[in-house]
Amino acid sequence: QVQLVQSGAEVKKPGASVKVSCKAYGYTFTTYVIHWVRQAPGQRLEWMGWINTGNGNTKYSQKFQGSVTITRDTSASTSYMELSSLRSADTAIYYCARVAGGVAFDIWGQGTMVTVSS
Amino acid sequence: QSALTQPASVSGSPGQSITISCTGSSSDVGTYNLVSWYQQQPGKAPELMIYEGSKRTSGISNRFSGSKSGNTASLTISGLQAEDEADYYCCSYAVGSTWVFGGGTKLTVL
Repeated sequence: QVQLVQSGAEVKKPGASVKVSCKAYGYTFTTYVIHWVRQAPGQRLEWMGWINTGNGNTKYSQKFQGSVTITRDTSASTSYMELSSLRSADTAIYYCARVAGGVAFDIWGQGTMVTVSS
Repeated sequence: QSALTQPASVSGSPGQSITISCTGSSSDVGTYNLVSWYQQQPGKAPELMIYEGSKRTSGISNRFSGSKSGNTASLTISGLQAEDEADYYCCSYAVGSTWVFGGGTKLTVL
C-alpha cells in the first residue's frame, strides 16, 4: 500500500530545532518528489519546500529560506524536514506529500504536530 | 509569494450546486494549468480531488468538477451531499518551481 508515515508529535522550546521524518512505503522512493506543507491551528495550508529524492536538489519557499532544511536518505526511503530557531508561530501540523507527475500532491503523510512552547 | 484568494466560506442545501473560486496571478494560476483542489475533513490530512485544473482523481465523484478562466480557477460541486461538508483548498504551481495554496474555503451543507 502506497503511504507516507511521519514521525510522532514534538514539543520544543523557543529557539530550538525540530526534525520530522517521512518514510515512504509501497513505491520506489526516488521516483517522486517529496514536498513539505504546514498548517497552523485553524489556518490555511502553507507550502514550505520540496526535495528531488533522486538527486537531492531542493527548493524552499522564500518565507522559510534559511530556517528550513529538507533532506533525504534513499537507503531508508525517508525524507526529513528540519526547522530551526523555532518560535510559537511555528506551532503547526507538518505534512509531507508526494507529487505525482509533477503536478499535484496525491499522497499525504498523516501529519506531525509540532508545539513550540516555553 | 501571496496565497491564492478563496472565499472564506460557502454554503448550500443538499442537492444544490456550489462553486468555489481561487484567484491568483500571472505568476501562477494564469500561466500554468496546474491547479489542484484538496478536500480536508476535520483532523485529517488533505485529499487530492482535482488536478491539472479539471482532471478528477480516481475514485472521486463526477459531482466534482474544475475549470479555469484567466487568473481564476473554480471548483464546482453539484448535487451537494452532507458528506461534502469540509474545507477545500486550491493549489497552483508557480514561477521558480514553487507552489502556492489558497486560503481555504469552509463548505457548509445546510
